[in-house]
Amino acid sequence: DAKTTQPTSMDCAEGRAANLPCNHSTISGNEYVYWYRQIHSQGPQYIIHGLKNNETNEMASLIITEDRKSSTLILPHATLRDTAVYYCISQAVDKIIFGKGTRLHILP
Amino acid sequence: EPEVTQTPSHQVTQMGQEVILRCVPISNHLYFYWYRQILGQKVEFLVSFYNNEISEKSEIFDDQFSVERPDGSNFTLKIRSTKLEDSAMYFCASSKTGTGYNEQFFGPGTRLTVL
Repeated sequence: DAKTTQPTSMDCAEGRAANLPCNHSTISGNEYVYWYRQIHSQGPQYIIHGLKNNETNEMASLIITEDRKSSTLILPHATLRDTAVYYCISQAVDKIIFGKGTRLHILP
Repeated sequence: EPEVTQTPSHQVTQMGQEVILRCVPISNHLYFYWYRQILGQKVEFLVSFYNNEISEKSEIFDDQFSVERPDGSNFTLKIRSTKLEDSAMYFCASSKTGTGYNEQFFGPGTRLTVL
């Protein structure tokens, strides 16, 4: 089973920042936090990952709490194309164990 | 930008038939994976493959499944005798490295329909 918990769904207005929370209270020291998303019927897409520092790339920012028990994915200016299921994953090994993720709806 | 490709995009087969799903991973990647997603359900790990052998497999990956890297570019998933419950989207993925920093790149999937 997935070791993270996420809200089932969230709404965000187009153009606003989407903040997706994730709880990974049992994360161990060598596990990274990864975020992937799946746009309807497509293959999952990598977004960002981090170990303990905050990270930013062209798609998103990842804020990890100091105790590493939770994190937030931030999409700074959400567009309709960001409508997808977002998966938060903590892992140290090869296989990805997907949970149910957060279904993010971007509202026009 | 390099990407993982999969063929066919949709495969329809009769129960009991063999199917082979094909994937071309990104060329400098060393780790390869298959996942499946039954309609409306979670993405599930099937198998990982490195250095020409299976490194890990899930309970789903029973004797009816096999994987192969027949040449330097293709990575295949074979289902010997398909069952109705094998109907799903099958995703191939690849990554440069394994443990730890392990960004996986997924293909667009093959939709398998077993009649």
